[in-house]
Amino acid sequence: GAGVSQSPSNKVTEKGKDVELRCDPISGHTALYWYRQSLGQGLEFLIYFQGNSAPDKSGLPSDRFSAERTGGSVSTLTIQRTQQEDSAVYLCASSLGLAGQDTQYFGPGTRLTVL
Amino acid sequence: AQKITQTQPGMFVQEKEAVTLDCTYDTSDQSYGLFWYKQPSSGEMIFLIYQGSYDEQNATEGRYSLNFQKARKSANLVISASQLGDSAMYFCAMREARAGRRALTFGSGTRLQVQP
Repeated sequence: GAGVSQSPSNKVTEKGKDVELRCDPISGHTALYWYRQSLGQGLEFLIYFQGNSAPDKSGLPSDRFSAERTGGSVSTLTIQRTQQEDSAVYLCASSLGLAGQDTQYFGPGTRLTVL
Repeated sequence: AQKITQTQPGMFVQEKEAVTLDCTYDTSDQSYGLFWYKQPSSGEMIFLIYQGSYDEQNATEGRYSLNFQKARKSANLVISASQLGDSAMYFCAMREARAGRRALTFGSGTRLQVQP
């Protein structure tokens, strides 16, 4: 079946602009996660959704970052007033949302470059 | 404090040989899970293997096995019979089973290069 998809694959924006990154999880996966991968910080958790609610937003670095999920499926990560330090690869993952192993499967990522 | 430590930034191995990638972790939880992911140059994170804290047997998946030493808090990945396609970054990750806590915490990764 289809894996996790993300769009766009690359995004170049100017400092101060807003950007939206999209994630389409594996069909039937109720849990969805956003991570960020950068050279300086490695892989960092941002936010977790179970269905449409986000019980864990602890990784969002500032109030410029927000995310929503609608219909228990597609999620959008929005970064307002982008800064150069926001440049990174943003990875989305999904899982069945069960107890135990509940492996997270990752999408190809969106590479964000803020000029 | 680092929750996941991967002390080998880079490793070389000859094709067809076995290689061990080190991972140590730190948690006070009794219930947790340990994962290994592979990230080729294409960028996608590929799940390799999982070990639960209560699993008594070391996990195996094909050429991948996990050397789990709970008392030492280590979860080393062993790749047998290395192939050129194994060249990639490898990340160890942990999920602690506290209520509502589903995030993975990743180590800094090990870059493996398989030489012909």
